[in-house]
Amino acid sequence: NAGVTQTPKFQVLKTGQSMTLQCAQDMNHNSMYWYRQDPGMGLRLIYYSASEGTTDKGEVPNGYNVSRLNKREFSLRLESAAPSQTSVYFCASSQQRYGYTFGSGTRLTVV
Amino acid sequence: DQQVKQNSPSLSVQEGRISILNCDYTNSMFDYFLWYKKYPAEGPTFLISISSIKDKNEDGRFTVFLNKSAKHLSLHIVPSQPGDSAVYFCAASAEDYGQNFVFGPGTRLSVLP
Repeated sequence: NAGVTQTPKFQVLKTGQSMTLQCAQDMNHNSMYWYRQDPGMGLRLIYYSASEGTTDKGEVPNGYNVSRLNKREFSLRLESAAPSQTSVYFCASSQQRYGYTFGSGTRLTVV
Repeated sequence: DQQVKQNSPSLSVQEGRISILNCDYTNSMFDYFLWYKKYPAEGPTFLISISSIKDKNEDGRFTVFLNKSAKHLSLHIVPSQPGDSAVYFCAASAEDYGQNFVFGPGTRLSVLP
C-alpha cells in the first residue's frame, strides 16, 4: 500500500542550486498536485496536473516548474533555489472531487 | 486574502471532553468541504467530508457541521483522545475549481491526559 511516494524526505540546498522533487502514485489517479506548507499559511497549491499531459499553475507557482512524466509520476523542479523556498513540500493525487491522498512530504531548507 | 480561515492556531482540550475546531470561508461558491488531520513528519490524512446539500455528517467520534448562511463549518470530536493531538486543516472546493481544494492555515489540537 505505497499510495503516494515522495523523494527525498529531506534536502538542504545552497541559494542558486537546482533540484527536482520526485513524486509517484500507484492508485491510478488522474490528478496530481504539489503543495507547500509554511507556518500560519496552511497548504498552498504550487502546480497541479488534472490529467496526464496537462499541467496548470496554482496559487504560488513562481520559481517552480513541473513535469507530468506519465500517469504515475509528477515532479517539481526548483531551477535556482531561494531562501523563500524553504518549506515542506507535499505531493498529492486524487481521482475524483472527493479529496486527496498525500505523500509524507519533503522538508527543504535553502541556505 | 485567505478564502478559508481557521482563526484558532491552537486548542487544548482535556481527554474525554469535546473538541470543537472551527473554519470560516468567504467564497459562496464553495460546495464541498474536507477536514484533514496531520501528525508531525507525516502527510495530511483525510478525516471527514461534507457536501453543501447537507448540514451534518458523522463518522464515529467525528462530526462536521456546516452552516451555509454563516459560511462556517466546525469539526466536533467526542470524546477527545490523546491520539487526536495533531494539526487539523479545513479545505473547501467549488465545482468551478475542479478537484482543487483551498486549505485553511490549520489548528493545532492538543488533547491532555
